[in-house]
Order: sequence, then C-alpha cells, then structure tokens
Amino acid sequence: EAGVTQSPTHLIKTRGQQATLRCSPISGHTSVYWYQQALGLGLQFLLWYDEGEERNRGNFPPRFSGRQFPNYSSELNVNALELEDSALYLCASSFLENQETQYFGPGTRLLVL
Amino acid sequence: DAKTTQPPSMDCAEGRAANLPCNHSTISGNEYVYWYRQIHSQGPQYIIHGLKNNETNEMASLIITEDRKSSTLILPHATLRDTAVYYCIVRSHTGTASKLTFGTGTRLQVTL
Repeated sequence: EAGVTQSPTHLIKTRGQQATLRCSPISGHTSVYWYQQALGLGLQFLLWYDEGEERNRGNFPPRFSGRQFPNYSSELNVNALELEDSALYLCASSFLENQETQYFGPGTRLLVL
Repeated sequence: DAKTTQPPSMDCAEGRAANLPCNHSTISGNEYVYWYRQIHSQGPQYIIHGLKNNETNEMASLIITEDRKSSTLILPHATLRDTAVYYCIVRSHTGTASKLTFGTGTRLQVTL
C-alpha cells in the first residue's frame, strides 16, 4: 500500500512570493493534516481537512491556507512568504472514522531567501 | 490534550532493550497514549498507541501504568536504525481536536 506522498521534496522561494505544496493521502483516507516543523522546533499543527472542508486550524496567520480536492488530495498555499516560513512541511492522513492514527508523508522542505 | 514529559535524551546499546518513559499525569479518561518517532529530517512514523491495556506490535510494546499517569515504550532489541527522536503524545479521539500536539520528545541514540 502506497504511503502519503508529498511534492515537491524541496522548494526555494524568495520573500514575498507564494508557495504551493501538495499532498496525496493514503488510498481510502479522507482526512488530511498539515504540520510545520521549523529548524530546531517541534511540529506545529497548521490545518485539518476532511471531505473537502477545513475542520480545524492552528495558530497561523491567514496567509497560510489550503484546500482539499474531491480525490482527497490537498494543497497548502503560503502567500507573502517570510524568512521564518522556512521549514519542513509535513502532511498526514487518516480515516475520519479512525482519527487516531495519522500517517505522515516525507515532507516538503521550503527555503525562503 | 494532556501535556507529556519525556527525558530529552537516552542512550542504548545495540541489541539491548530501549525503555523510553513518558509522564502524562493530567491524562483524562478518554485520552489515548500515542508514540511516534522521527528519524532525522523525515516524516514522523507511527509506532503504537493504547488506552488502558498494554499493547504490542511488530515494532514495540507499550506499557501503561494502572493509574494511566505514565507509560513506557519498549523497543525489545534496539538497532542503529532505531536512532531517532521519540514522541509521546496524549490525545482524545473526539471532537475537532484531531491535531497531534508534539512535545520535544526523547532523542534515542543507539550505539555499537
């Protein structure tokens, strides 16, 4: 069974630009979660999507947004990039009925110059 | 979600059992104990979870004390590939609080 996939693996942007990160969940999973892990810091919850709707949001500014498509894949968009947005962005998926086990992808490393 | 306390680092000799403790004294009755690990710069890997009873799978065993205020993750025969940061997380399955709240974890170093 294929795991959670994310693309691209690495992304380099400059301040003020926009970044789009993509995530494909495990087949059959309807929930997608996004987390940010800045260098030397812990994982911080960003967003949770299920059945195309945003279900919960972490303490991040509105320039962090996303969406979930009918096939349950998801995009995370970060507008007006700032240097401190440089981080590893991780996507996880789970069955909604079995919310407890979230399986993570390999992450996208975003570098803002 | 309840807060957890873990030692910042531990060492273990290869082939020996690694016992990683976690304190969660404010855990409530409907909260589960989860363990994940993160090998350098990779996505976290799910290991095991439990509510009250001890659990075992192909990766590890989870021992939860009777009062549920602490738990221990046991890797029975640690290998070099088990070197990682191990996170103990306590969370419920209800409501919209589906996020995982990661602490600082325990950095396990397995040595020859």
